[in-house]
Amino acid sequence: KQEVTQIPAALSVPEGENLVLNCSFTDSAIYNLQWFRQDPGKGLTSLLLIQSSQREQTSGRLNASLDKSSGRSTLYIAASQPGDSATYLCAVDNYGQNFVFGPGTRLSVLP
Amino acid sequence: NAGVMQNPRHLVRRRGQEARLRCSPMKGHSHVYWYRQLPEEGLKFMVYLQKENIIDESGMPKERFSAEFPKEGPSILRIQQVVRGDSAAYFCASSPPGTPNNEQFFGPGTRLTVL
Repeated sequence: KQEVTQIPAALSVPEGENLVLNCSFTDSAIYNLQWFRQDPGKGLTSLLLIQSSQREQTSGRLNASLDKSSGRSTLYIAASQPGDSATYLCAVDNYGQNFVFGPGTRLSVLP
Repeated sequence: NAGVMQNPRHLVRRRGQEARLRCSPMKGHSHVYWYRQLPEEGLKFMVYLQKENIIDESGMPKERFSAEFPKEGPSILRIQQVVRGDSAAYFCASSPPGTPNNEQFFGPGTRLTVL
């Protein structure tokens, strides 16, 4: 059974810092991994999708990497801004099945 | 191209009533997924549907919950005889046809409150 964990559970940084969010999964037989952002009381916004054959994806200040063999993904946020404050969710898609979500990392970027 | 639409956005029901949650997938998407987010908990998969078929309902509670995705119209998640523990945010996601494991796009969610 796939299990997804995220570290840290919460993170508070001053504006402008670069930061790394971590995601670990127990079953490396994944199809893809997707990072989402969730604002309080809102839905999920897709940030990056990494197919199992890929190592990383980049979008603006965001970079996500995937190491299937070790069961890890990282989300790197460069030059953080207060608007980046949200909960970041990692979700793993097993073949032919559904997404398994991690518990999330709650990020606060202080002005 | 409108995103995934869910309605209502907020739903209040008294114990014992029925709740119907609707999800219209993105145009051209034929795969629909329902997830539940309980207060202070992560998202948990409930059911995966394609048009007129339930593909995987391993996350659905055995009683009171049902889902459908008819040939025409939105997908419906139905909760009969609601209890306070059903209070949660229910999210729908859709993905395009072909393999079922493409990027999922999420709707804004329906927040159900059971009094």
